[in-house]
Amino acid sequence: DAKTTQPNSMESNEEEPVHLPCNHSTISGTDYIHWYRQLPSQGPEYVIHGLTSNVNNRMASLAIAEDRKSSTLILHRATLRDAAVYYCILILSGTYKYIFGTGTRLKVLA
Amino acid sequence: DAMVIQNPRYQVTQFGKPVTLSCSQTLNHNVMYWYQQKSSQAPKLLFHYYDKDFNNEADTPDNFQSRRPNTSFCFLDIRSPGLGDAAMYLCATSLRTGMKFFGPGTRLTVL
Repeated sequence: DAKTTQPNSMESNEEEPVHLPCNHSTISGTDYIHWYRQLPSQGPEYVIHGLTSNVNNRMASLAIAEDRKSSTLILHRATLRDAAVYYCILILSGTYKYIFGTGTRLKVLA
Repeated sequence: DAMVIQNPRYQVTQFGKPVTLSCSQTLNHNVMYWYQQKSSQAPKLLFHYYDKDFNNEADTPDNFQSRRPNTSFCFLDIRSPGLGDAAMYLCATSLRTGMKFFGPGTRLTVL
């Protein structure tokens, strides 16, 4: 199974942008890149996903490297409510399995 | 609102005493999953149902079983809980291979 590598933890100041990196050097051409986050005492929730092109939605942006071996989740203005564990996950196209990596615990400082 | 519901949110059982966790969904999704999440770890897939087809992960212990009587409900049965089975159990759904929707989880304590 394709694997992802993320820093264990990151800190950001409130109202500042946050860039959460993910390495996925074993990605294959049909693997989708998904990001989920897990707030304290809750189940994971979807943030964003992409295949090759950069993606934007109301929650975040996803920047995908040209060789697709890495990606970055961008929170444009971190708030205290964004403090969570962020998981970068590769999904083999047409499969049901999400293999979670270790995730990055984001701490947002007021 | 359409959602994934897990009951109970907290479950305490005794060592070796069978326990059942339940999950229901109003999304009408055809795939339902069970994950185990231990403290400070990422969720680990135990098994999933595609409609009525059961798919077990190779490393899921035989102690864990599941039932899906209809589209809306799915149950996780732990036949003989050990101390190592204490964890958060997460139910999730998806429409085929699409985005997953997770429930809030059931935290299981084994005494």
